Amino acid sequence: AQSVSQHNHHVILSEAASLELGCNYSYGGTVNLFWYVQYPGQHLQLLLKYFSGDPLVKGIKGFEAEFIKSKFSFNLRKPSVQWSDTAEYFCAVNLYGGSQGNLIFGKGTKLSVKP
Amino acid sequence: NAGVMQNPRHLVRRRGQEARLRCSPMKGHSHVYWYRQLPEEGLKFMVYLQKENIIDESGMPKERFSAEFPKEGPSILRIQQVVRGDSAAYFCASSPGQTTDTQYFGPGTRLTVL
Repeated sequence: AQSVSQHNHHVILSEAASLELGCNYSYGGTVNLFWYVQYPGQHLQLLLKYFSGDPLVKGIKGFEAEFIKSKFSFNLRKPSVQWSDTAEYFCAVNLYGGSQGNLIFGKGTKLSVKP
Repeated sequence: NAGVMQNPRHLVRRRGQEARLRCSPMKGHSHVYWYRQLPEEGLKFMVYLQKENIIDESGMPKERFSAEFPKEGPSILRIQQVVRGDSAAYFCASSPGQTTDTQYFGPGTRLTVL
């Protein structure tokens, strides 16, 4: 069965530190890839997505992610985090062209940014 | 430009009661998805519906759970005879039309079963 792995359960950083959150998926076919963020007490919001084209995707709030097909990875990065980035981050995969429309989510990574 | 609406936001039920969760998709969206988030877990797909049709219910428990998306009105996720293990956050998402479109999520309904 297809799955999404997020390697870090909880990441703690100081403000201005660089961030990289890992995401790997297991599926040999074409996929669409997403990063969602859930701020405390709020609902999931889309950070960025990759459907096709340039594998380096830029999203909102200074986030970017790189799709590396050979590694089945879609890692999320931000050069300098802020306290307001404290949230839970979810990587998700959608199987392109399948009859199912569902997203397969990773378990999430909690990011705590110390001021 | 209202987003995906879910109600109630919090729902408390005793074991054996029924829970009804409602989801109104974004304007112009005809696809609705339900997900469940258990504590310390990511979201798990439950069911995917279009108007008056269930497209994929592969994530739905075989018993007690049902979903509908009528021609008029919100999508409803119904849980009969709730048990403590049903306690979770239930999220609805909607998308415009293609199965690979971006899904936009609602705020969720947090169900607590006493």
